[in-house]
Order: sequence, then structure tokens, then C-alpha cells
Amino acid sequence: GESVGLHLPTLSVQEGDNSIINCAYSNSASDYFIWYKQESGKGPQFIIDIRSNMDKRQGQRVTVLLNKTVKHLSLQIAATQPGDSAVYFCAESNYIRLIQGAQKLVFGQGTRLTINP
Amino acid sequence: DSGVTQTPKHLITATGQRVTLRCSPRSGDLSVYWYQQSLDQGLQFLIHYYNGEERAKGNILERFSAQQFPDLHSELNLSSLELGDSALYFCASSGKGVLPSGNTIYFGEGSWLTVV
Repeated sequence: GESVGLHLPTLSVQEGDNSIINCAYSNSASDYFIWYKQESGKGPQFIIDIRSNMDKRQGQRVTVLLNKTVKHLSLQIAATQPGDSAVYFCAESNYIRLIQGAQKLVFGQGTRLTINP
Repeated sequence: DSGVTQTPKHLITATGQRVTLRCSPRSGDLSVYWYQQSLDQGLQFLIHYYNGEERAKGNILERFSAQQFPDLHSELNLSSLELGDSALYFCASSGKGVLPSGNTIYFGEGSWLTVV
């Protein structure tokens, strides 16, 4: 069955350092991936997405890397700030379903990122 | 602000009761998704509607049902509530564009349901 998992449930980093959050997926049909950030008591907030025809995509202070060979993706946050404290979820889907308007996202359990001053 | 609106934000009800959660998608979005998130748990997909039609169903209990109306807003109905139904219920919406960014899913702030 489909599953998206995270290597670590918690990650603690020093303010100013770079954070790397990892995610593994098992569905070979998945070709579209999204990272969400969820702060306490709030809904998941879209951070960045990537399709399987790319290995890397950059946003503002964030970079997503996709390794299709080992079914792994990571989210890198540069110069981590206190406001980055949250739970980060990766999610996967299939592009064909996306076009057909039948997109389903499968979420991992999440990684809690805490920032040390 | 994601543009997805959910009401009510908080709801406390007794076991055996029925509640309705409401979601207004982002303007122009045709797809509405419902997810359940229990304490310290991930997001569990419940159901997906596209332009009024059910498109996919996840692990949604038979006591739960949903619908999407012609104006594209959606309601999630939870009946015969049990203590274990206490959770955050999220609605999300996405557009119909063929590009990934056009179909990215945006979430509302959730409805927090407490069953006592």
C-alpha cells in the first residue's frame, strides 16, 4: 500500500543553522511531492512542491531534493529561524490523478522541528 | 491566509450526537478534500469531491458523510459521535490547472471537534 514515512520524528537545531528534514516514500507511482509546515493549532501550510522530472527545486530559504532511485526526498531550510518551529509533513501523489482532478495526498507522520536559541 | 474557510473553529458535543462541519474552498477551486488529524497524529485522508462529485474515498467511517454543493462549498457530517472522533478536521481545496502549482492543495485552519 501507499506510505510516506519520515526518518526522524523530532529534529532540534541551533538558530542560524541549516535544517534538513528527510522523507521516504514507497509508492513507485508517486511523481509529485509536497512539503507542508504545520504550526500548533493551525492548518498545514504549503511550503514547496516538486515533480519527479526534477531533482531539486528552490524556494525562499527552502530547497527540496528528490532522489527517485532510493525513493527519498528532503527539505532543507537555510539559516533556521525561531519562526520555523513547527511540524513538517511530506506528502505524495500521482500526476495523472492530479490532471484528472482526483488528486489524493498521502501524508507522513511528520517531523517536529525545534529551534534552540 | 490560505483562502480556505472552515466553520466552526471549535465544537464540543456529546457522544451519540451529530455535527456538521462546513468548508468554503478558495475562489475558483473545484476540488475539496477532507482530512482528519488526531492528537499527535498525521493527516488521514477522508474524502475528495470535485465539482460536486465524489472522486476518492479514504478511511472514512460509515457514520461520516460529505457532500459538495453547486456553489462548491462542502459539508462533512459526523453522526453517532464517539469519544474517538475527537480530532481536528481539515478541509483543503485545489484548482483545476494542469500544472502542479495550479493543483497544489491548500488547507483551511481546521475545525476542532471535542466529543465528551
